Formats: sequence, structure tokens, C-alpha cells
Amino acid sequence: ILNVEQSPQSLHVQEGDSTNFTCSFPSSNFYALHWYRWETAKSPEALFVMTLNGDEKKKGRISATLNTKEGYSYLYIKGSQPEDSATYLCAFIDSGGSNYKLTFGKGTLLTVNP
Amino acid sequence: EPEVTQTPSHQVTQMGQEVILRCVPISNHLYFYWYRQILGQKVEFLVSFYNNEISEKSEIFDDQFSVERPDGSNFTLKIRSTKLEDSAMYFCASSEAYRGGGYTFGSGTRLTVV
Repeated sequence: ILNVEQSPQSLHVQEGDSTNFTCSFPSSNFYALHWYRWETAKSPEALFVMTLNGDEKKKGRISATLNTKEGYSYLYIKGSQPEDSATYLCAFIDSGGSNYKLTFGKGTLLTVNP
Repeated sequence: EPEVTQTPSHQVTQMGQEVILRCVPISNHLYFYWYRQILGQKVEFLVSFYNNEISEKSEIFDDQFSVERPDGSNFTLKIRSTKLEDSAMYFCASSEAYRGGGYTFGSGTRLTVV
């Protein structure tokens, strides 16, 4: 059974704060790591697909890093805004499968207070 | 941008009844999936569908569940005799099916079994 863990479970920050969360995953059989942003009643929105050790990706104020050797990825949000409030999900794809199946963490619920 | 659409957004059904959840995935994607999230738990994989047949299913996906792609556009999940524990948010998704490729998720169907 693949274990994907995210921390913290929830986070409250003030508008303008920068924040980061962690996703840990099995360091063996790595294939890809996905990050999603999910607001209630909406589709999970793809943020990043990361495939190479040392990858760093950026989308506006959000960025992510990847360390496949130690099995973790960080998601950073710079200058948080209230509209960043959402659940951030990471999901792992292992190389042993052939169907690009995602194994999810439980998510980090971010609340940004104005 | 192409979307995955799901209907209905919310369904309430009595225990023992059959339900059909409907999805229109992105047609030029190769893999289609159903995932679900029971409240407070991780998003979990149910089934993947490739080349008009099931390519992988989880332990959850027992004989009560079935999937079909009857007309080349719709992708349906049927639960034959619903149980209380089937109450969850059900997500349909499709994948570009290559290492760096992303998923597109629908906005989900909230199924409540009473």
C-alpha cells in the first residue's frame, strides 16, 4: 500500500504571509508527483506535474520543489491572498503501475484571513 | 480549455437503490477514471478505463460497481444497490497518459445514501 502524507492538515495565515506545506511519498518506484488546488464545489485544479528529482516549478505566486531521493515535495505560496484559500492535494504515481493511477494525500486546508 | 463535466452535482438516494453517475471526459484523452472521497478521508482510486475496457480496479470496486462508455462520449459509474457507506463525493477524471501529462477532473457528484 502506497502511503502519501501531507502536513500540516490545516493552516490559517494572514493575507500577505508566505506559507509552505509538505507532501511525503515513497522514495522508491517514483514516476510522477501532482499538486492540485481544490475549492469546495469546484473541480480539483491541476497546479504542477513534477517528474524529475530537483524539479522546481512556478505558477505566479505558487511554486513547488521535488526531492525524489528522500521522497518529499514542498509547495510554497508567496504573499498569500484570501482567494488562495482552498485544499491543496498532492498525488503520487508509482512506476510499478501502467494506468497513471493517482494515490492522494489527505490534503492541506489553507485559510487566508484578510 | 477542455473540461470534464459531471452530472448530477448532488444525488440523494435510498439504501438499496441503483444510481448512475454520469461524466463526459475529454475525448482525446486516453484514460478515464473514477475516484471518490468519503468525508474526512483521502481521495481514493476506484477504477481506470482504457481502450473501452477496465484496465485496473481497486478493492473497493466490487460487483456492485460497473462502468460503461456506451456512446464514445459519456462515461458512467453505476452502483447497483447502494449502501450507506457509498456516501461520498465521486470524481470523474481523464488523463493525457504520459509521464508529464496532467489529469483533468470534473467537479464531482455528491452522493448521499439515506
